[in-house]
Amino acid sequence: EPEVTQTPSHQVTQMGQEVILRCVPISNHLYFYWYRQILGQKVEFLVSFYNNEISEKSEIFDDQFSVERPDGSNFTLKIRSTKLEDSAMYFCASSNLAGGYYEQYFGPGTRLTVT
Amino acid sequence: DAKTTQPPSMDCAEGRAANLPCNHSTISGNEYVYWYRQIHSQGPQYIIHGLKNNETNEMASLIITEDRKSSTLILPHATLRDTAVYYCIVRVSRSGNTPLVFGKGTRLSVIA
Repeated sequence: EPEVTQTPSHQVTQMGQEVILRCVPISNHLYFYWYRQILGQKVEFLVSFYNNEISEKSEIFDDQFSVERPDGSNFTLKIRSTKLEDSAMYFCASSNLAGGYYEQYFGPGTRLTVT
Repeated sequence: DAKTTQPPSMDCAEGRAANLPCNHSTISGNEYVYWYRQIHSQGPQYIIHGLKNNETNEMASLIITEDRKSSTLILPHATLRDTAVYYCIVRVSRSGNTPLVFGKGTRLSVIA
């Protein structure tokens, strides 16, 4: 069964450094998303992406964040200058129209630790 | 913010049916009820969704009240692997860009 994959599974970085989190969505999906979950808290929406542009973003997704689909398979989230509060699990998801509905399929996540 | 209310936790004996309730009294006519679960710290997993009719798939059944203000997710024969946080989400489905808004969910513990 096709699945969303994410790399790395765990990333440790120092405050102020740039990080890029990578995702390979399901191959025929057209909609892509990033969510994050701070330890012990709710899963929060960051951004959705369709047709090579951002469709919707939350208040969390400020100028420090950017997304890109550099080729036909990868979808990346870049954090320009990491802060301690960026430490969280980051989940990528993808979806497509199937049977008239859009179910989102999530990857296993990248645990980002900012020290 | 999430438009649903769920109990924070529930226990269920292994092999028994787990019935997880959800209140969504402000649901709009074009909003669907979705259920996802998250096992430990893994990515959320889609379970089932419905509009107004009861739905069943290989994982679960979804019972929606006639006034659509509440619903129940039923896992017919819970196993230890069903221990997870279960999220009830209302969402307009026919838009691929619509994000999922997660609440705190119900932590289901299946006990041997």
